[in-house]
Amino acid sequence: GDSVTQMEGPVTLSEEAFLTINCTYTATGYPSLFWYVQYPGEGLQLLLKATKADDKGSNKGFEATYRKETTSFHLEKGSVQVSDSAVYFCALSSPVGFQKLVFGTGTRLLVSP
Amino acid sequence: DVKVTQSSRYLVKRTGEKVFLECVQDMDHENMFWYRQDPGLGLRLIYFSYDVKMKEKGDIPEGYSVSREKKERFSLILESASTNQTSMYLCASSSPPGGLAGGPGTQYFGPGTRLLVL
Repeated sequence: GDSVTQMEGPVTLSEEAFLTINCTYTATGYPSLFWYVQYPGEGLQLLLKATKADDKGSNKGFEATYRKETTSFHLEKGSVQVSDSAVYFCALSSPVGFQKLVFGTGTRLLVSP
Repeated sequence: DVKVTQSSRYLVKRTGEKVFLECVQDMDHENMFWYRQDPGLGLRLIYFSYDVKMKEKGDIPEGYSVSREKKERFSLILESASTNQTSMYLCASSSPPGGLAGGPGTQYFGPGTRLLVL
């Protein structure tokens, strides 16, 4: 079945450092890919998405490119802030059926001043 | 803005109790979902519904049931709560592909209910 694999955390960075969180997937067909973020004590918020190969999703300085050849959707940010500390989830949605999301296990990011 | 609300942020129940978790969305979304979130396991789908009175099992439906009598409301029911159901429960809603609310497959989440079963 479909699956998503994320790098384990926590990822600990200093403010203004470069961030990469790896995400790879296994799916039939051409899924849509998502990054969700969960701030402490809150539900998940959509951060960015991409619906076809070579699409780049971007939001709040975060970017991820849908790479079909490597089945990857790595999240990047050039300069992280303390306020980016959160748990980040990579997910895919099959193009058929009822758009169930398949999530990775989440990667906690801790940014220190 | 899409708004998904859940009836409680924190809930403490005793083993064997029947527990109701309520979720309401205000965007007229057809699809609604219940997940549980556990450390190291990510989010796992319990049940989802694609229309009023329709439901489908997700990956871990055992010990749970759901009810969708109105389009905006999706309830998760723990028939007889057990300690292994202590978890964070998240509700989400989405529109079908091509809908106006964010495009294909975008789900909008509520703030979650943290349930402790003693």
